[in-house]
Order: sequence, then structure tokens, then C-alpha cells
Amino acid sequence: GQSLEQPSEVTAVEGAIVQINCTYQTSGFYGLSWYQQHDGGAPTFLSYNALDGLEETGRFSSFLSRSDSYGYLLLQELQMKDSASYFCAVRGSNAGNMLTFGGGTRLMVKP
Amino acid sequence: DGGITQSPKYLFRKEGQNVTLSCEQNLNHDAMYWYRQDPGQGLRLIYYSQIVNDFQKGDIAEGYSVSREKKESFPLTVTSAQKNPTAFYLCASSGGDWTDTQYFGPGTRLTVL
Repeated sequence: GQSLEQPSEVTAVEGAIVQINCTYQTSGFYGLSWYQQHDGGAPTFLSYNALDGLEETGRFSSFLSRSDSYGYLLLQELQMKDSASYFCAVRGSNAGNMLTFGGGTRLMVKP
Repeated sequence: DGGITQSPKYLFRKEGQNVTLSCEQNLNHDAMYWYRQDPGQGLRLIYYSQIVNDFQKGDIAEGYSVSREKKESFPLTVTSAQKNPTAFYLCASSGGDWTDTQYFGPGTRLTVL
């Protein structure tokens, strides 16, 4: 089976940097994705890592270490609008190579 | 505008009734998915379909049924056999790009009265 662990809640102040960690267990591995979901809304894709290293997209970066089964999402220059839940998701060798999502990290950005 | 639509946004059901949630996409994606999300939780896969006229059970398929007669449509029926159906239901599709990005609809919030 597959499982992912991420912190349930993180709080930070506007303008700060925050890191959301994700550790996973999977049979086979194709990639680690991150999604953002505002309250009551639909998840939206943020980033994808298939290889080790850092991927940067504007204020957001995502890191992967396959040997450690670990990744993180880094949010810089936090804004109030970044308050949302962030989910890591892994695609492994389960049936149909489907995504398995973590439980989500609720980020609260304070003024 | 390309995207995924789900209807209705809110749905109320009496116990013992079957209800069908609609999901339509005009992204020309082959794969479509249904997820269930409970408050403060992650997404759990109910059913998925990688091609028309074919679908597979996900992790929590019991009490649900689907059909995939058209590429654009993947309706989900919540049957009376689902013991705790109150939840937020999300439909998604993917086009098979190298990141396998999934695009989500706005969701349907189902409440059983």
C-alpha cells in the first residue's frame, strides 16, 4: 500500500518562509505532487517532482529526495491568500498508478 | 473555457435514497476520477476511469457506482448502501501529461438528512 505523512497544521506570519514536509511509503514511485485547496474550493496543482532536487515556480518551490522518501513544499514571501490546505500526493505502482493523497497541512498566515 | 463542471453544488438526501452527482469535462481528457473528502481530511479515491466504457474501483468504492458512456461525462451514484455518505465529493480529470496533473471540479457537498 501507500501512505503519506504531513503535519496537520502550520502557522506563519505574512512575509515569512514556511516549509511543509511530506514523507511517504509507496510500492514503486513515479513522482510527488503538491496541491493547494482553499476552504470549500477545489484542489489546484502546484508542483511535481519526479527526480531528486528542487523545482522552483515563483514563490513556491518543491523538493524531493527519493532515497529518503521525503519531500517538502517551500512557500516564500507569504501572503494572506496563501492560507489554505496543502496536500502532497504520490503516484506509485498501485492499481492504475493512481495518486494517493496525504491528509493535508492547513497553513494559516497571520498579519 | 476548458474545465470541469460538477452539479449540483449542494445536495441534500434522505436516508435510503440513491443520488447521482454529475461531472462533465471539456478538456478532452481520457482519465477521470471521483474522490471523497471528509472535513479536515485528505482525498480518498472512490472510482476512476482511464478510458470510455471502462472504470475501476478505488480505495472506498463500496456503496458507490459509476458509468463512463462518454469521454466527457463520469457520473457518480451514491447508493443507499453507503452508510455514511455526507461528505464533499470531488471529480477530477487528467490528460496523461508527464506530471499526470489532475484538474478538479468545484465539488458537490452532499448532506444526508
